[in-house]
Amino acid sequence: GAVVSQHPSRVICKSGTSVKIECRSLDFQATTMFWYRQFPKKSLMLMATSNEGSKATYEQGVEKDKFLINHASLTLSTLTVTSAHPEDSSFYICSARDAGGHRYNEQFFGPGTRLTVL
Amino acid sequence: AQTVTQSQPEMSVQEAETVTLSCTYDTSENNYYLFWYKQPPSRQMILVIRQEAYKQQNATENRFSVNFQKAAKSFSLKISDSQLGDTAMYFCAFTPGWETSGSRLTFGEGTQLTVNP
Repeated sequence: GAVVSQHPSRVICKSGTSVKIECRSLDFQATTMFWYRQFPKKSLMLMATSNEGSKATYEQGVEKDKFLINHASLTLSTLTVTSAHPEDSSFYICSARDAGGHRYNEQFFGPGTRLTVL
Repeated sequence: AQTVTQSQPEMSVQEAETVTLSCTYDTSENNYYLFWYKQPPSRQMILVIRQEAYKQQNATENRFSVNFQKAAKSFSLKISDSQLGDTAMYFCAFTPGWETSGSRLTFGEGTQLTVNP
């Protein structure tokens, strides 16, 4: 149980285009999903917290208009990188928290998406 | 605000030996959860072990165990009988125990563990 998928796993796009990354909880409902960015050999950096049916909460320094987050259902959150540039190239990871209120406040992680902007 | 510190960027161990990864944290919370996550080369985050702060007993999962010292705010991970598949980046993480926190995780910087044959 507690499986989170991400699609696509890898994406290469041209500078100036937009890219959408999907995060799905496959066997549970997630009221809260999180989006992280990770640089090579570095820790996970929280970008935003996504709550179903409401606006996402962005961390300081993360551009809301650049990284659009939508959490339209209890099993799906999307991250859209708008007008992508080479500096947006990174590994993006999502995680989800079980709406059933797991006693450990545990997050379940997706496998990540590697974005390369040419 | 909570902080998590892992002071060992890299460590190595011989196969079948034991290794301990260090983690310290700072918080004013009394109720919280601590985790160790493993990130192998595939980059999938895998939960290794978790500890509830109000439990004095150290958590154990097969070859993995923790030494949780609440007063010292220390949460080290011991890996016994190390295997080649244990080679990964290990992250220590903290989350407050109250519901309204949204289970936000604070991660340490990570420790790259290499198990040598």
